[in-house]
Amino acid sequence: QVQLVESGGGVVQPGRSLRLSCVASGFTFSNYGMHWVRQAPGKGLEWEAVIWYDGSNKYYADSVKGRFTISRDNSKNTLYLQMNSLRAEDTAVYYCARDLGIVANYYQGMDVWGQGTTVTVSS
Amino acid sequence: ETVLTQSPGSLSLSPGERATLSCRASQSVSSNYLAWYQQKPGQAPRLLIYGASSRATGIPDRFSGSGSGTDFTLTISRLEPEDFAVYYCQQYGTSPMYTFGQGTKVEVK
Repeated sequence: QVQLVESGGGVVQPGRSLRLSCVASGFTFSNYGMHWVRQAPGKGLEWEAVIWYDGSNKYYADSVKGRFTISRDNSKNTLYLQMNSLRAEDTAVYYCARDLGIVANYYQGMDVWGQGTTVTVSS
Repeated sequence: ETVLTQSPGSLSLSPGERATLSCRASQSVSSNYLAWYQQKPGQAPRLLIYGASSRATGIPDRFSGSGSGTDFTLTISRLEPEDFAVYYCQQYGTSPMYTFGQGTKVEVK
């Protein structure tokens, strides 16, 4: 079945780095744009980054621009998020999500989500 | 940057009642680029509506979306027990950006 599985979360000290992974299965990963979306404890959803299906374009929220890098390896069906200079406010559950793109001028939304991986930034 | 403001913050209703959730944008948004998601505790979000009014695959017809410009609405015609959850609107904007509203919690009265 169509599935996304995140990993790589954990407890990390402020200023350190962490790399998250998201492995896709059940669909042709290289056909889809992919996102990272996070959710701080008890808070709402916050979009962080998107990467085009072929990795040619990447865009970031202002809150992580310059610190986080999204990438993908289509040969491994894997999406990554390299997180540097981590701050306490980066503490959240991080979800990867599949983007259906724009079809006939309609944005189709994020239709498949992983279960999330938890990142805690604390000294 | 467009800000999406959802209201009310929470809604207390009984099963069988109608729920009306609002999403207001700080500037005009193309209705083609507005989506709604449902999230239950401990679960990932689920896509409900895209293009402001089109239901995603497998979404029951008691869920409907409408609106244009700066005002959008998600309506649940008759609440089922499984519909009590948090709902988020989201827009695809220039740059591109994928902004979410802060969410509306629909809880059991």
